[in-house]
Amino acid sequence: AQSVTQLDSQVPVFEEAPVELRCNYSSSVSVYLFWYVQYPNQGLQLLLKYLSGSTLVKGINGFEAEFNKSQTSFHLRKPSVHISDTAEYFCAVSDLYDYKLSFGAGTTVTVRA
Amino acid sequence: KAGVTQTPRYLIKTRGQQVTLSCSPISGHRSVSWYQQTPGQGLQFLFEYFSETQRNKGNFPGRFSGRQFSNSRSEMNVSTLELGDSALYLCASSGTEVNTEAFFGQGTRLTVV
Repeated sequence: AQSVTQLDSQVPVFEEAPVELRCNYSSSVSVYLFWYVQYPNQGLQLLLKYLSGSTLVKGINGFEAEFNKSQTSFHLRKPSVHISDTAEYFCAVSDLYDYKLSFGAGTTVTVRA
Repeated sequence: KAGVTQTPRYLIKTRGQQVTLSCSPISGHRSVSWYQQTPGQGLQFLFEYFSETQRNKGNFPGRFSGRQFSNSRSEMNVSTLELGDSALYLCASSGTEVNTEAFFGQGTRLTVV
């Protein structure tokens, strides 16, 4: 079984500042890792995913994440945020042969002008 | 290509009633998963269907059930509704043999009164 811990429940940030959202996971098997974003009253949109290969993954809207196997982390970063990045962000994990996603509790990012 | 479509978007039901939610996956996708999202419990996996077979089930009571049809459309049913069943129910579809990407619908907001 896998579990995901998002270390920050709320992250306030000023527009054009960088942001980092922290995610740690635990699993006894190899996993796939994902970051999703959810805007109010919407479903989840995939930002990026790590399947294998390069540990630095680039996604949509200028986001990137780095997989660190030794620290079992998958932190999400964006060098300069916009007001439109205000949303809730979820880190998720699944094992390689299972369609079940295990989600973290989410991090609410609020971008202020 | 049309995305994942969930109907209805909003529902209000009374305690003790039953409800059926529908999900149409992306054309060609054979895997459909369901998740419950609540403020208290976050995103929790309900079940996953692939080619009309339930392959995985989360830790929910038997009042929660689902099925998948030959065209991959899926329904989930909740019987004897309780106030705690109020949630956003999200459906996701995947087209790959393993879970390399799940596409989510906008969800059905169920309110039990």
